[in-house]
Amino acid sequence: EVQLLQSGGGLEQPGGSLRLSCAASGFTFSSYAMSWVRQAPGKGLEWVSTISSSGDTTYYADSLKGRFTISRDNSNNTLHLQMNSLAVEDTAVYYCAKDVSKIVARGFFDSWGLGTLVTVSS
Amino acid sequence: DIQMTQSPSFVSASVGDRVTITCRASQGISSWLAWYQQKPGTAPKLLIFAASSLHSGVPSRFRGSGSGTDFTLTINSLQPEDSATYYCQQANSFPPPLTFGGGTRVEIK
Repeated sequence: EVQLLQSGGGLEQPGGSLRLSCAASGFTFSSYAMSWVRQAPGKGLEWVSTISSSGDTTYYADSLKGRFTISRDNSNNTLHLQMNSLAVEDTAVYYCAKDVSKIVARGFFDSWGLGTLVTVSS
Repeated sequence: DIQMTQSPSFVSASVGDRVTITCRASQGISSWLAWYQQKPGTAPKLLIFAASSLHSGVPSRFRGSGSGTDFTLTINSLQPEDSATYYCQQANSFPPPLTFGGGTRVEIK
């Protein structure tokens, strides 16, 4: 059974940093692209970032303006999202998500973590 | 970026009804579309990918159709557990950006 166990998050002041993690099990982690998707309170879903299965290619939403960094550790089956220069508008539940397709990412997500709340407030 | 417009934003229907949700892309996306179901306080679940492929374990009353710019999610014989918000998502522009529709909340009367 695929499991994506998220950790990190919490309350941070504007301008601060947080690191989210997503520990994967139940599938060959190194064979799948992984992504982060966020959802602001009461709002819809917003794609944040994607990393290729090998970790050598990354993609980000333009709105992040270079503040976030996605990474993965295939030896430990873990996905990370480093969030710097946090702003109030980054307040959201952040989900890690697994691509539906092996090796060649399709951009569809068939497994999701439970989500972790990031609150940016002074 | 490709914009995804869902309609309606809210629908109220009775158990056993057929519910249809539409999603329109701002430009052609072939069949690069998925549908997700999200219940309050939980993560989204994949229902349909590649416009019409039913994800494993999803009841057959869910059906996706369409290509190009216009897509439909149909729920046949609505069940109480189908009360949720449904999102479409395009992956035509993958490598990203990926974009979601605004969501459709389905309420059971």
